[in-house]
Amino acid sequence: DSGVTQTPKHLITATGQRVTLRCSPRSGDLSVYWYQQSLDQGLQFLIQYYNGEERAKGNILERFSAQQFPDLHSELNLSSLELGDSALYFCASSQRNMGTSGTYTVNTGELFFGEGSRLTVL
Amino acid sequence: TQLLEQSPQFLSIQEGENLTVYCNSSSVFSSLQWYRQEPGEGPVLLVTVVTGGEVKKLKRLTFQFGDARKDSSLHITAAQPGDTGLYLCAGYHTGNQFYFGTGTSLTVIP
Repeated sequence: DSGVTQTPKHLITATGQRVTLRCSPRSGDLSVYWYQQSLDQGLQFLIQYYNGEERAKGNILERFSAQQFPDLHSELNLSSLELGDSALYFCASSQRNMGTSGTYTVNTGELFFGEGSRLTVL
Repeated sequence: TQLLEQSPQFLSIQEGENLTVYCNSSSVFSSLQWYRQEPGEGPVLLVTVVTGGEVKKLKRLTFQFGDARKDSSLHITAAQPGDTGLYLCAGYHTGNQFYFGTGTSLTVIP
């Protein structure tokens, strides 16, 4: 058990609909990451929040949005769903462990993943 | 767009054999991690390497970070069925992003 909770585990919906995925991070973790995993695209970074603020954005579509609430849980909202949005959506939390290695800034923080939310769009 | 390409994509070997998985990029990463993912679960961290040329050993697993910080390898000695899973490398890039590789699906046959 990673300590990260994602709900729902499975979701089946129709094209054009909107869904919300929820993530509760490990106790004490301030960073939350969202990833999309599909067979042909691997694990794609969507967005990261740190203590309620957006910190980094990856390949997130404009139809998708996310937020992190004061209690640190996060929600990923997917709207105007298309068939191609069918995938496993993972949330991960971490404590940033920043340091240096030579001239590089490194983050050795471990990502703790939830079990994922499997979205099927029909 | 995948910044990190892994090879091979699929690998099926007999128990007791050795294998190497590669993670390559044209980009420089300040640190690199390897994760293993089993069906129905999220990835779990195996190791973090932070110095170019660094080698880390975890029992039968040996991880190496390339001198130029653009590539990494995972070598498993005497593979066991319990090693079966999806192996993912993840590079940390400035901008607070962990980029994951395309993954290598390993099956170890008893």
